[in-house]
Amino acid sequence: SQTIHQWPATLVQPVGSPLSLECTVEGTSNPNLYWYRQAAGRGLQLLFYSVGIGQISSEVPQNLSASRPQDRQFILSSKKLLLSDSGFYLCAWEVKGHHYGYTFGSGTRLTVV
Amino acid sequence: GESVGLHLPTLSVQEGDNSIINCAYSNSASDYFIWYKQESGKGPQFIIDIRSNMDKRQGQRVTVLLNKTVKHLSLQIAATQPGDSAVYFCAENLAWGGSNYKLTFGKGTLLTVNP
Repeated sequence: SQTIHQWPATLVQPVGSPLSLECTVEGTSNPNLYWYRQAAGRGLQLLFYSVGIGQISSEVPQNLSASRPQDRQFILSSKKLLLSDSGFYLCAWEVKGHHYGYTFGSGTRLTVV
Repeated sequence: GESVGLHLPTLSVQEGDNSIINCAYSNSASDYFIWYKQESGKGPQFIIDIRSNMDKRQGQRVTVLLNKTVKHLSLQIAATQPGDSAVYFCAENLAWGGSNYKLTFGKGTLLTVNP
């Protein structure tokens, strides 16, 4: 069966420090992958999506970047975190072309202090 | 469109009552809709879906209604329980190229069930 893993679950980082959040999917190949951010009490904001290795599309210009070095690995990064980067980060995947919606990971709670 | 920058609407119900959560979607070309449930500190989980060629679909204690004329979606939860307390998101599926689709999420509604 397919599973999605995100880590770490929680993270407290100082302003100006770098960030690396990782997401991996198991049990499928060539998925579409997504990074979402959710501020406290807010909805879901799509940050990046990827349809294949090295293919990244950005939805919102910001302090973050994403990479897909392997088929089932999606990484969210920042060189220098801002206070406004705090939030709940969610990775999601879907079977390409199957049109059945996304499966979300358990999320990473990032607090920038 | 995607829900950013706005506080979530809230719905408070008594345990055992029925809950109705509403959602307006944006694109008349959307042909697939999903309801997600997000508990505090967790990722959204699939509840129920419906295709545009249907106007009603039932699951266990949940029913989704689709009104394409007014682009409205609703989720009905029967005999609401404390475990139903969560944020509920609707999502519409839009084609964005080839065989790829992108989910666009609604604002979300915070459901609180009072014992």
